[in-house]
Amino acid sequence: AQKITQTQPGMFVQEKEAVTLDCTYDTSDQSYGLFWYKQPSSGEMIFLIYQGSYDEQNATEGRYSLNFQKARKSANLVISASQLGDSAMYFCAMREGRAPPRGDMRFGAGTRLTV
Amino acid sequence: DVKVTQSSRYLVKRTGEKVFLECVQDMDHENMFWYRQDPGLGLRLIYFSYDVKMKEKGDIPEGYSVSREKKERFSLILESASTNQTSMYLCASSPRGWLNTEAFFGQGTRLTVV
Repeated sequence: AQKITQTQPGMFVQEKEAVTLDCTYDTSDQSYGLFWYKQPSSGEMIFLIYQGSYDEQNATEGRYSLNFQKARKSANLVISASQLGDSAMYFCAMREGRAPPRGDMRFGAGTRLTV
Repeated sequence: DVKVTQSSRYLVKRTGEKVFLECVQDMDHENMFWYRQDPGLGLRLIYFSYDVKMKEKGDIPEGYSVSREKKERFSLILESASTNQTSMYLCASSPRGWLNTEAFFGQGTRLTVV
């Protein structure tokens, strides 16, 4: 069963505006980690931001922030002040925290953002 | 600078051939992964390994096998390549034991089976 759902195949945003990329997940673990990666047209996978299930604050990294709503099982990525270089595929991923953590990470289908 | 290196950027193989995709990491990571990436499907986990000679099936292992004889090297094997295995293949590695450690990816191998 798909554990990570990204419902927006494509999104458009104007330069300097903010955009939210949606991600919902499914797990029965209490301990898990959520990741966002960016994949530009060059193909490399660039790690952006991490949120742990027990983190009380939403994660932020520069222009990236994560809107984490645990009860709704959503972890949306917010990009502020969009730039042309933000045009890329964005993937949401989850690592479940079974003991010991095995490290395997599951990804969503991705959202293509065009600025 | 951390590095995950995949042996080929592009490969073209014939149906029925045995294909080896090689991945090497220089970060002394315990975990290594193979994913395939297809449009609309994202990254799907084929196999992963959490130690030398250890392997576990991911979500789509059919038609693939793996080998990890040394900690730094993780090979993906297509026993008899088929056209539906035409895809982008991504290798990744991460340290074991921590939830918050990112996975580091190679540059990808675009495999075409004709």
